[in-house]
Amino acid sequence: DAGVIQSPRHEVTEMGQEVTLRCKPISGHDYLFWYRQTMMRGLELLIYFNNNVPIDDSGMPEDRFSAKMPNASFSTLKIQPSEPRDSAVYFCASRQGQGSNYGYTFGSGTRLTVV
Amino acid sequence: SQKIEQNSEALNIQEGKTATLTCNYTNYSPAYLQWYRQDPGRGPVFLLLIRENEKEKRKERLKVTFDTTLKQSLFHITASQPADSATYLCALTDSNYQLIWGAGTKLIIKP
Repeated sequence: DAGVIQSPRHEVTEMGQEVTLRCKPISGHDYLFWYRQTMMRGLELLIYFNNNVPIDDSGMPEDRFSAKMPNASFSTLKIQPSEPRDSAVYFCASRQGQGSNYGYTFGSGTRLTVV
Repeated sequence: SQKIEQNSEALNIQEGKTATLTCNYTNYSPAYLQWYRQDPGRGPVFLLLIRENEKEKRKERLKVTFDTTLKQSLFHITASQPADSATYLCALTDSNYQLIWGAGTKLIIKP
């Protein structure tokens, strides 16, 4: 398995532009998570899905953020319009089941810079 | 409020020695606890999971302990190597089986 695949690896965009981050979870994993990591705040959960259905989006900072999971093998996180304070590394992670012994599998992340 | 604490200062260890990292938590009764390794520019990688009814778990040179009375987990790397240098994160589960993360401790193994 190629693991959790995220694209792009790096994104530099101007303030006000729309940004779309993509994620392909591990096949068979029924949970998908979007995290944001910064030096100041560490890892923050933004939203997670179970069987493609959004379960908890309370971590999404504002209405500018939205996430979708149209099928079991693809998810997107969109920021529109982007702001400099959105600059961070965004991780996608997937997991098999609840209370699993195997932890979360993370992608390599997307480093977003908004200028 | 729920709180997880890891030593924010980097831990410097001589190669070959045992490295011990600490994860303390308050106002919480987790079902289990996980440890992850994170290298620069990479996502966290799952290492070990320990349940509340387990005192200790081992995997090769790694050992994790979980003391629910002290509200503390210790993560040990024996016979440490420079390749073990990374940031190590602990994470507790909440009642919805989602993770609450510590800030991580940077471990530096010196040759």
